[in-house]
Amino acid sequence: GAVVSQHPSRVICKSGTSVKIECRSLDFQATTMFWYRQFPKQSLMLMATSNEGSKATYEQGVEKDKFLINHASLTLSTLTVTSAHPEDSSFYICSARWVAGDTEQFFGPGTRLTVL
Amino acid sequence: RKEVEQDPGPFNVPEGATVAFNCTYSNSASQSFFWYRQDCRKEPKLLMSVYSSGNEDGRFTAQLNRASQYISLLIRDSKLSDSATYLCVVPAGGTSYGKLTFGQGTILTVHP
Repeated sequence: GAVVSQHPSRVICKSGTSVKIECRSLDFQATTMFWYRQFPKQSLMLMATSNEGSKATYEQGVEKDKFLINHASLTLSTLTVTSAHPEDSSFYICSARWVAGDTEQFFGPGTRLTVL
Repeated sequence: RKEVEQDPGPFNVPEGATVAFNCTYSNSASQSFFWYRQDCRKEPKLLMSVYSSGNEDGRFTAQLNRASQYISLLIRDSKLSDSATYLCVVPAGGTSYGKLTFGQGTILTVHP
């Protein structure tokens, strides 16, 4: 149990286009999902906390108008990178937390974004 | 002081060796700690949770020193499959399972 999926696993796009990444909790309900970014040879950096039915909370330095987050249901959160540029190329990973109180976070397999 | 700091390594050890990693954290109110392992181009996976003084699971032992604010991970009888990046993780603000702060990771390579 506690499986989180991400789609797509890999995307290559041209500069200026928008890319949507989906994060799904497959066998549990997640009121909270987290979006992380990992640049090569660096650790995961939290970008935003996504709560079902409310606006996401962004970390300092993360542009909310560039990284649009929608958490419309208890099993799906989406991250849209708008007007992507080469510097947005990174490994984007989501994690999900169960509905019932504080529990472990389960990570998705990640999406590797390359912007040409 | 960084919120979570690790020796990035890399550590190169032969099979069967014992290796230890240290991690320091800045928030003295932190109550729980985690070690994750991350394979190349994969998501991090939980290895161990530490709530009190330590935890042991087979070849892996995690120890917590609250006074000095560091956590260690000891791997005994290293296997080739232990090669990975080990991430020290501390919940931000000291709360459990909320926002997580990741250390930069320690790279381990186990060779034959």
